[in-house]
Amino acid sequence: KAGVTQTPRYLIKTRGQQVTLSCSPISGHRSVSWYQQTPGQGLQFLFEYFSETQRNKGNFPGRFSGRQFSNSRSEMNVSTLELGDSALYLCASSLAASGGIADTQYFGPGTRLTVL
Amino acid sequence: AQSVSQHNHHVILSEAASLELGCNYSYGGTVNLFWYVQYPGQHLQLLLKYFSGDPLVKGIKGFEAEFIKSKFSFNLRKPSVQWSDTAEYFCAVNLMDSNYQLIWGAGTKLIIKP
Repeated sequence: KAGVTQTPRYLIKTRGQQVTLSCSPISGHRSVSWYQQTPGQGLQFLFEYFSETQRNKGNFPGRFSGRQFSNSRSEMNVSTLELGDSALYLCASSLAASGGIADTQYFGPGTRLTVL
Repeated sequence: AQSVSQHNHHVILSEAASLELGCNYSYGGTVNLFWYVQYPGQHLQLLLKYFSGDPLVKGIKGFEAEFIKSKFSFNLRKPSVQWSDTAEYFCAVNLMDSNYQLIWGAGTKLIIKP
């Protein structure tokens, strides 16, 4: 079974631009989560989607948004980029989560975003 | 706000040494607990998890972790490390009233000297 794929793998943007990142989950997985990873900070949760609905959102400004399509693929958008947005953005998929229990997450390779 | 603390950001050990990586969380309710590992050049992957039952859980590659509820801890252990255990290790906690969010520790970089 193919793993989680993320495109593009690397991006270089300048301040003020916007960017869209894409994630294709493992076949059959309906939950997709997005994280920002920076050195020394671990993973910061951005949001989680299940069946095209955002179920949870982390403490990020409104410049960060996402969506999920009917085939479970997900996109993340960052508008008006800032230097501090430079990070590795990880996508993770899981089968399903019910009752507030986080299922095992399967991670993609990430998209390395550099903002100049 | 709830948080997860991993006490050591960097750990350096020699092969065959014993390993214990600390993980503490600040939340008084029911939790599910995870350890993930990221080997150099590879994706994050699950090492082990605790949902309920025996507080001593075993994972892949000889790792185990013990959930001690009274100490809010979920420390990762391995009796004898190998060079191939060099990686970054992350502890994550799912709070049962947080819906589907995992709270992550900052990670511990483990280097094993051959």
